[in-house]
Amino acid sequence: NAGVTQTPKFRILKIGQSMTLQCTQDMNHNYMYWYRQDPGMGLKLIYYSVGAGITDKGEVPNGYNVSRSTTEDFPLRLELAAPSQTSVYFCASRDRGTDTQYFGPGTRLTVL
Amino acid sequence: AQTVTQSQPEMSVQEAETVTLSCTYDTSESNYYLFWYKQPPSRQMILVIRQEAYKQQNATENRFSVNFQKAAKSFSLKISDSQLGDTAMYFCAFMKLSTDKLIFGTGTRLQVFP
Repeated sequence: NAGVTQTPKFRILKIGQSMTLQCTQDMNHNYMYWYRQDPGMGLKLIYYSVGAGITDKGEVPNGYNVSRSTTEDFPLRLELAAPSQTSVYFCASRDRGTDTQYFGPGTRLTVL
Repeated sequence: AQTVTQSQPEMSVQEAETVTLSCTYDTSESNYYLFWYKQPPSRQMILVIRQEAYKQQNATENRFSVNFQKAAKSFSLKISDSQLGDTAMYFCAFMKLSTDKLIFGTGTRLQVFP
């Protein structure tokens, strides 16, 4: 049971480049989340999804887009990378029975 | 809006001793969940313990237990018999049942010394 997987683990982007962070879960959870964690800080919610085809903004959505075409996958898209998006990005899925979120290993993104 | 406050940026404890990490939160809700997550140097976020607000009994998981004081809006984590592997950042988090979102505190860095 892989749980929540994220790719890539590390990435360096130049300002203005685009990329997609991949997230997949194999626990059949309807709820999925994207967070960012800046140095020395807690996690802030970027976007979340309550099921395939349904997404909603979190606390810090500007500069990001998401889609949810399947239950398993929840990719996060950065269209025009900016230095302010340098962060560690975590994907999570939620067990509706216990309301507990399970996290992927994170992606460290640096924008130069 | 709900907020979660962890007032101890850093803590240290000697191996085999007990340490308590503090967390307070602000909400007008009566039904919610509280969580403690551990983030070791590997960066993986690992669930330590969870508490449902409607339960008066404090949650325990092996060496980890909480002191949940609903009226005081306090949710502290006690780690007994501390081990070197407990060295990590610890985050307190809150989730209102009527929303789907976790709100995190800023974390407490715990160092366990031999």
